Amino acid sequence: DTAVSQTPKYLVTQMGNDKSIKCEQNLGHDTMYWYKQDSKKFLKIMFSYNNKELIINETVPNRFSPKSPDKAHLNLHINSLELGDSAVYFCASSQNLWRYTFGSGTRLTVV
Amino acid sequence: DQQVKQNSPSLSVQEGRISILNCDYTNSMFDYFLWYKKYPAEGPTFLISISSIKDKNEDGRFTVFLNKSAKHLSLHIVPSQPGDSAVYFCAARKNYGGSQGNLIFGKGTKLSVKP
Repeated sequence: DTAVSQTPKYLVTQMGNDKSIKCEQNLGHDTMYWYKQDSKKFLKIMFSYNNKELIINETVPNRFSPKSPDKAHLNLHINSLELGDSAVYFCASSQNLWRYTFGSGTRLTVV
Repeated sequence: DQQVKQNSPSLSVQEGRISILNCDYTNSMFDYFLWYKKYPAEGPTFLISISSIKDKNEDGRFTVFLNKSAKHLSLHIVPSQPGDSAVYFCAARKNYGGSQGNLIFGKGTKLSVKP
């Protein structure tokens, strides 16, 4: 049983397209996150949700819209994809704001 | 603006010897520090943590040291094993209070343990 699962694992798409990445956790955690690991290898927070409510939105373009239908799911929708959006996107969850459980990542390539 | 810095992108160590991974931070408001380990094509996994009120935490072969005055922490792995070969991320918690907070990560150090 995967604790935090993301789909798809790989995503190759053309510029201008709209795509979604899904994340589900079965740990019963209250808080979920999206992190982006760019080409420089930094893991940067994008969004944080606590019990379906947006808590953190770190200067992410409006083209990125997270949605949390319930506390076990946090999906990421990206509109009008750009080359610079190419990265690995990690979903994570936690109960205590420090010990995170990460998904295995979604490698997004925009061509 | 890098608040958490890992200045060594890579480290190579012989099996059985000590591995020392270093991390520096700039924000004195961080209250928790953590190390995560990442294998290729997997997400980071939690390894060990330390509260800002302590200076040492040990878990088996892994020990984390915190020097608050120098804003420096290090991870010691003794003895190093080939299975320890991975990328190690240092992270610090930024706590906004209540349910708000997130981890800020360094760029990672790739550890290679040679048999």
